[in-house]
Amino acid sequence: QKEVEQDPGPLSVPEGAIVSLNCTYSNSAFQYFMWYRQYSRKGPELLMYTYSSGNKEDGRFTAQVDKSSKYISLFIRDSQPSDSATYLCAMSPNRDDKIIFGKGTRLHILP
Amino acid sequence: DAGVIQSPRHEVTEMGQEVTLRCKPISGHNSLFWYRQTMMRGLELLIYFNNNVPIDDSGMPEDRFSAKMPNASFSTLKIQPSEPRDSAVYFCASCRVGSGNQPQHFGDGTRLSIL
Repeated sequence: QKEVEQDPGPLSVPEGAIVSLNCTYSNSAFQYFMWYRQYSRKGPELLMYTYSSGNKEDGRFTAQVDKSSKYISLFIRDSQPSDSATYLCAMSPNRDDKIIFGKGTRLHILP
Repeated sequence: DAGVIQSPRHEVTEMGQEVTLRCKPISGHNSLFWYRQTMMRGLELLIYFNNNVPIDDSGMPEDRFSAKMPNASFSTLKIQPSEPRDSAVYFCASCRVGSGNQPQHFGDGTRLSIL
């Protein structure tokens, strides 16, 4: 079993819909959870960062962590065509540890 | 504010040739990371440096790969000799550690094709 599993997609949804992106992981030591967004031919950029379990909201984006299920989610409300990108989940055991990335989910928002 | 700068953006070369990828981290960042991204394996950490010292190179695939960080503002990743399976996008990232969690800032990558 890979440390971090993420459905590669592509996921296509109409503009304005709510998008749900998910990752599962196997290492119970992970405490720091991140979502990166990567546009085509660009490097990943950090979207959301959470520590341990719970929810975090930032504008149209909400990150959820369920450590008991080893499952994390990113929700995008009122999706826009500009949200079309690859979304990578990432996690690490401690603050300054190396980060393990999922392979990414390609998202297409249809106008 | 300049981000992480990588060069070249694209490199096409024949197998057996030496390839050198370059990275200038963000000023003030004391950690630097080299990643490789492919469709099959996703984003993989190759090596990272703290304060110019290599900390973990367990992700470097073979002895053909080497990385250096001679000073705080420059790092290289070298492949010698290169092989077609090295074709990938190579990213450099930097961050500041030791002063609260800081996100890794990525460059736009070098797209490497080995023929």
